[in-house]
Amino acid sequence: EAQVTQNPRYLITVTGKKLTVTCSQNMNHEYMSWYRQDPGLGLRQIYYSMNVEVTDKGDVPEGYKVSRKEKRNFPLILESPSPNQTSLYFCASSLGDRDFSPLHFGNGTRLTVT
Amino acid sequence: AQSVTQPDIHITVSEGASLELRCNYSYGATPYLFWYVQSPGQGLQLLLKYFSGDTLVQGIKGFEAEFKRSQSSFNLRKPSVHWSDAAEYFCAVGGEGGNNRKLIWGLGTSLAVNP
Repeated sequence: EAQVTQNPRYLITVTGKKLTVTCSQNMNHEYMSWYRQDPGLGLRQIYYSMNVEVTDKGDVPEGYKVSRKEKRNFPLILESPSPNQTSLYFCASSLGDRDFSPLHFGNGTRLTVT
Repeated sequence: AQSVTQPDIHITVSEGASLELRCNYSYGATPYLFWYVQSPGQGLQLLLKYFSGDTLVQGIKGFEAEFKRSQSSFNLRKPSVHWSDAAEYFCAVGGEGGNNRKLIWGLGTSLAVNP
């Protein structure tokens, strides 16, 4: 089944404790992206990747890191999480970045930073 | 600058009633328009999209949307709502170049369905 898999689904952590949210897609998609979703703010793009080893900042990259060493994986790293990073995070992928190929989303990771 | 407005934050309809969710956009040229749906506990899924041609587009799950250039709108409709349609609906607009990384998202409309 074609899908984008995020793990974990829920995560509670404390300020400053490094964490990684994994994202994997099995559709051989070139484009991958991370969003955060907050009430009243909608979806905001954190980072995106056009292909392996090609990543770039989105609208709200501060406090996050990403890597794209393999085509299928695009982990989101919070080196020193803070409470303002409490949010619902989504990973998405598409065949390419051009021509608005449909975005496929994971089921989300709800992160709470205390 | 491009922008997307979904005027209704929350809508409640009865099962079987018709539905219209509003989306207004601001963009200088011909926009690329999308509706995505986020069911509870799920990621977003593409419902339909408009690129060009027929201004009435059909999507999945029985939804349709109409592009009205004169009103800068792309409203989503369904003639008869089912309880499973309760979800968050997002309108998005893209511009020249067709880049997903440049999609502009509305804030969403939460739909509740009464039995």
